Amino acid sequence: DAGVTQSPTHLIKTRGQQVTLRCSPKSGHDTVSWYQQALGQGPQFIFQYYEEEERQRGNFPDRFSGHQFPNYSSELNVNALLLGDSALYLCASSGGLAGVHEQYFGPGTRLTVT
Amino acid sequence: AQSVTQPDIHITVSEGASLELRCNYSYGATPYLFWYVQSPGQGLQLLLKYFSGDTLVQGIKGFEAEFKRSQSSFNLRKPSVHWSDAAEYFCAVGALYSSASKIIFGSGTRLSIRP
Repeated sequence: DAGVTQSPTHLIKTRGQQVTLRCSPKSGHDTVSWYQQALGQGPQFIFQYYEEEERQRGNFPDRFSGHQFPNYSSELNVNALLLGDSALYLCASSGGLAGVHEQYFGPGTRLTVT
Repeated sequence: AQSVTQPDIHITVSEGASLELRCNYSYGATPYLFWYVQSPGQGLQLLLKYFSGDTLVQGIKGFEAEFKRSQSSFNLRKPSVHWSDAAEYFCAVGALYSSASKIIFGSGTRLSIRP
């Protein structure tokens, strides 16, 4: 049974560009959350998707957007990249909105903005 | 507002010594509490979690944590550390809303092991 998978593993982009990160949830899970972990810090909640809708959003600008597909996989899009967007982006999946106690994390995508 | 505080940024202990990592939380209701470990360049691995019941929780790799409601604390302990325990440790609280949920993380404690 595959866990949470994310792609790509690493990514290098230039300031001003746009990036798309992908996440496939653990089998049986229908809720996907995204977190940003800057170097030396704890993960920060970006947003959560359930039933293809954004349900909760953290303190991130509109440059950060997402999407959830009918198969429950999800994308995180970041527009107009800034140097400060360099971070490890973590995807977590759970069964239902209240499944925070069973939230599984993927290995992350390391984004470097130059 | 919900928050998690890990007062120790970096701790160094000798191999074989005991370990205690501190965590304090702020949450209005009974919290879901977690400890995660992250090795360099890796994702997050769940060590243990607390939702209700026995306030002493056993986790993987010989770790345990104790929930103390009166002190709003959830400290992580291990009786004897191994060199492989060197990593970053994150305490976290699960926040539930009417239509969503999220995990709020502390800033982490980096654990170094002295040979």
